Amino acid sequence: GENVEQHPSTLSVQEGDSAVIKCTYSDSASNYFPWYKQELGKRPQLIIDIRSNVGEKKDQRIAVTLNKTAKHFSLHITETQPEDSAVYFCAAVNQAGTALIFGKGTTLSVSS
Amino acid sequence: DGGITQSPKYLFRKEGQNVTLSCEQNLNHDAMYWYRQDPGQGLRLIYYSQIVNDFQKGDIAEGYSVSREKKESFPLTVTSAQKNPTAFYLCASSVYRDRGEEQFFGPGTRLTVL
Repeated sequence: GENVEQHPSTLSVQEGDSAVIKCTYSDSASNYFPWYKQELGKRPQLIIDIRSNVGEKKDQRIAVTLNKTAKHFSLHITETQPEDSAVYFCAAVNQAGTALIFGKGTTLSVSS
Repeated sequence: DGGITQSPKYLFRKEGQNVTLSCEQNLNHDAMYWYRQDPGQGLRLIYYSQIVNDFQKGDIAEGYSVSREKKESFPLTVTSAQKNPTAFYLCASSVYRDRGEEQFFGPGTRLTVL
């Protein structure tokens, strides 16, 4: 079945360092790849997304890259800050375009 | 954080009882979703609905049921057939298109079976 693998499950960085989270997906028909951030005790919120017609998208300190041939996409956070500490989820839309399949999440800890 | 609400925030249930979780949205979204969140398991899809009076099973639908009688509402019933119902439940909604769109999440309901 359709599947999204996310790595690493935990990531610890020093403030100011970069953080990279990687995901692979199984359905070659997927064409929409969002990233959600969930702070402790709060609901997930979209931070960036990318569609399959582009290879990279940037929004200030956050960027997402997509490699359709290899079926993987990555989240890059530069100049990390303590408020970036959260759980990050990647997702891919299913073949029918009707639902998202989520990865298991990455817990990012940024220490000052 | 308005737009999509869930109630109650915390819910306790005795074994063998059914319980219904509420989800309401005023975003005029066609699509609504229910997820279950367990530590280390990510967000697993229970049921989803793109239109009133229609819904589809997700990956872990067994032991759950839903209804979609109104566009604004998508209640989830956790039945006694669900073997391990203690979890955090998230509802979401989105504009429905056939290519995937941003989902907006509710604040969640934490269900504990005693």
